[in-house]
Amino acid sequence: QQQVKQSPQSLIVQKGGISIINCAYENTAFDYFPWYQQFPGKGPALLIAIRPDVSEKKEGRFTISFNKSAKQFSLHIMDSQPGDSATYFCAARPTGGGNKLTFGTGTQLKVEL
Amino acid sequence: ETGVTQSPTHLIKTRGQQVTLRCSSQSGHNTVSWYQQALGQGPQFIFQYYREEENGRGNFPPRFSGLQFPNYSSELNVNALELDDSALYLCASSRTSGAQETQYFGPGTRLLVL
Repeated sequence: QQQVKQSPQSLIVQKGGISIINCAYENTAFDYFPWYQQFPGKGPALLIAIRPDVSEKKEGRFTISFNKSAKQFSLHIMDSQPGDSATYFCAARPTGGGNKLTFGTGTQLKVEL
Repeated sequence: ETGVTQSPTHLIKTRGQQVTLRCSSQSGHNTVSWYQQALGQGPQFIFQYYREEENGRGNFPPRFSGLQFPNYSSELNVNALELDDSALYLCASSRTSGAQETQYFGPGTRLLVL
């Protein structure tokens, strides 16, 4: 069963715009929420991650917003660039689950000029 | 590049055959996880090896098995291949298990089962 739901499935944003990808989780026993970026032919690469005791984390143009009560978290990409065009996955790690990650289904982002 | 390498890059097998995929972890990493990524889907956790022992498994049947060697490289073996096993198989390594360790993924092995 899918425990992390991700939307939208695909997203087109103009260069310089803000890209927003949302995820919702069902299991409250998650303690780590990373976002991965994947380019065609490559493995996923860690972009940014957050713990549930923090409501927001920013690294450069990338920000995670976390709403523990709503069990939702989102990725914001500011000043989106064509080089950001990739597939983005949210993920969650269960407490005590080693390195097991439960991934969302992915969002294909295209940034147009 | 992450320093995690996988071989082969592509593989074609027929239903019922067996396959072995290999992964070399990043230097200094003792934990390897394997994931299956079907086309258009997110990666699904298969299992994890920590210091040569399996210490976590996802919802995959026993025909999916693995090994981790003393140098922390790893193998994924799949027996009795089925058409649905066609996917990208990803290996990820980390310094250790748990505690929100960053996982570094390799480029994957794309398996096609005919």
